[in-house]
Amino acid sequence: AQTVTQSQPEMSVQEAETVTLSCTYDTSESDYYLFWYKQPPSRQMILVIRQEAYKQQNATENRFSVNFQKAAKSFSLKISDSQLGDAAMYFCAYRGRTSGTYKYIFGTGTRLKVLA
Amino acid sequence: GAGVSQTPSNKVTEKGKYVELRCDPISGHTALYWYRQSLGQGPEFLIYFQGTGAADDSGLPNDRFFAVRPEGSVSTLKIQRTERGDSAVYLCASSLMQNTEAFFGQGTRLTVV
Repeated sequence: AQTVTQSQPEMSVQEAETVTLSCTYDTSESDYYLFWYKQPPSRQMILVIRQEAYKQQNATENRFSVNFQKAAKSFSLKISDSQLGDAAMYFCAYRGRTSGTYKYIFGTGTRLKVLA
Repeated sequence: GAGVSQTPSNKVTEKGKYVELRCDPISGHTALYWYRQSLGQGPEFLIYFQGTGAADDSGLPNDRFFAVRPEGSVSTLKIQRTERGDSAVYLCASSLMQNTEAFFGQGTRLTVV
């Protein structure tokens, strides 16, 4: 079975600085997707960035980028120029492409605090 | 609709009662997922629909939980004989097809007292 582990329950970053959130996963599949979702107090899960496992290039979306290490099964999120609006829970998620259901498997989350 | 809509936003019920949680997916989305998020945890998979049928219900914790999607659009999650341990946020997500990005609703916070 696939698992996703986020070992940082909480992180803090100064406004305008850079922070990295860690995520590791375990799977026997060779083809899959990895995601980072943001969950503000409104509870809605918002997609931040996604990575396809067959792509070697790390995904980037504006201030958000990932460091995808497939062999190490590591998928960290880097947030540059942190803003107060980035404060939220961040969840790392895995979704297989051959599982048949494409269900998401989430980690336990990292609460990000942004200090003014 | 513009996004996935879940009603009610909050629900308080007494232990032992029956509750229904509703999910309106994005129009045209064939895949629909239910997740449960307990306090301080990540969302946990409950059930997945492709069209009207439940393609995977392996996440339903026991037979008190049941979900339907009779016309392939709106889905209802039904919980019988609620227990205090059922208190959680119930999230619904939909995607255009089973292998495309899923969009989440804002969830229903269920509190069993």
